[in-house]
Amino acid sequence: RKEVEQDPGPFNVPEGATVAFNCTYSNSASQSFFWYRQDCRKEPKLLMSVYSSGNEDGRFTAQLNRASQYISLLIRDSKLSDSATYLCVVSNQAGTALIFGKGTTLSVSS
Amino acid sequence: NAGVTQTPKFQVLKTGQSMTLQCAQDMNHNSMYWYRQDPGMGLRLIYYSASEGTTDKGEVPNGYNVSRLNKREFSLRLESAAPSQTSVYFCASSVGLAGGSGYEQYFGPGTRLTVT
Repeated sequence: RKEVEQDPGPFNVPEGATVAFNCTYSNSASQSFFWYRQDCRKEPKLLMSVYSSGNEDGRFTAQLNRASQYISLLIRDSKLSDSATYLCVVSNQAGTALIFGKGTTLSVSS
Repeated sequence: NAGVTQTPKFQVLKTGQSMTLQCAQDMNHNSMYWYRQDPGMGLRLIYYSASEGTTDKGEVPNGYNVSRLNKREFSLRLESAAPSQTSVYFCASSVGLAGGSGYEQYFGPGTRLTVT
């Protein structure tokens, strides 16, 4: 099993749609979880951290299921500007570094 | 407010040439990182520096060396470039080690390197 696995997509959705991304990770000792966003030919930027209790930031909701080693990201009311690659990120066992998934590509069209 | 800066933005090398990628941050962060990103592979950690004066290998360190020159600067050196090192290189920094404490990593704009 790869350390962090994501469906690469692409996910093609119309404006206003709700879309969900899933991610699984292999290391049960991981302590930190994030979603990063990367626009085409740009650097990754933090979208949100993910907490066990789940957390929401506007139209974005992240969930963590430690028992299943599963992370999700829900985007409601998609905007054209949400088009990007979304990276699932998990800390390594030693807690010294982050492991990045390969990303899920989202394309929102009008 | 520069954040993390990287130079150069683009570079073309011939096989066997050497070069140093420069990275600097102005956020007073303790930890710095070098990643490479290849199509279909995602970001992979090359080296990291937990704090000034320390460096450690990441997932793919072979063919690279690093120097943490001071708290602000962390350079990556390719001693003898190979076509397999063609990639986009990102430098990042965080307040502390990102893995254990959930610190956000801030990335530079990247260096696009082609080795022919």
